[in-house]
Amino acid sequence: DAGITQSPRYKITETGRQVTLMCHQTWSHSYMFWYRQDLGHGLRLIYYSAAADITDKGEVPDGYVVSRSKTENFPLTLESATRSQTSVYFCASAIGGPGETQYFGPGTRLLVL
Amino acid sequence: GENVEQHPSTLSVQEGDSAVIKCTYSDSASNYFPWYKQELGKGPQLIIDIRSNVGEKKDQRIAVTLNKTAKHFSLHITETQPEDSAVYFCAASMSSSNTGKLIFGQGTTLQVKP
Repeated sequence: DAGITQSPRYKITETGRQVTLMCHQTWSHSYMFWYRQDLGHGLRLIYYSAAADITDKGEVPDGYVVSRSKTENFPLTLESATRSQTSVYFCASAIGGPGETQYFGPGTRLLVL
Repeated sequence: GENVEQHPSTLSVQEGDSAVIKCTYSDSASNYFPWYKQELGKGPQLIIDIRSNVGEKKDQRIAVTLNKTAKHFSLHITETQPEDSAVYFCAASMSSSNTGKLIFGQGTTLQVKP
């Protein structure tokens, strides 16, 4: 049972480049989430999805794009990476909405030079 | 706006002692409060949660208390062990959003000294 996986685990890119972070879950959970983790800020929600083809913004969506054509995948794209997007990115999934446990992936550590 | 404050940011205890981490939330409509443990290089993992219709919940050495009036909830770890060393996050679910979005505290780094 793979659960929730993220790829790549580590990524170095340059300012202005497009980067896509992948997230895949095997539980058929309806909800999926993208967070970024920065020192002093905890985890902040970037985007979330309640089901395939349904996405919405979180706290810090600027500079990011998401899509969800299949239930199991929720890629996050940085269209033109900036240094301020250097962070650790976590994907999570949940069987439902409010009050349901969110299960986190192992994270992607992104460095933008 | 919606906010969760967590204290302390770092906590060091001797093995066998208790550890307490406190959080306050701003939205009185919040009704779900999970606690996550994050070990180095890994994603957060749920360790315990509490809902607004319950004042206290316990699971072995871990307990969580909720004071809705004060908008305050706490994590209590008793008989701490070195493997409890990690970063702990509290969170609150803003039920008014109906989306399952969690607002996280800033995290507490717990160090348990052998």
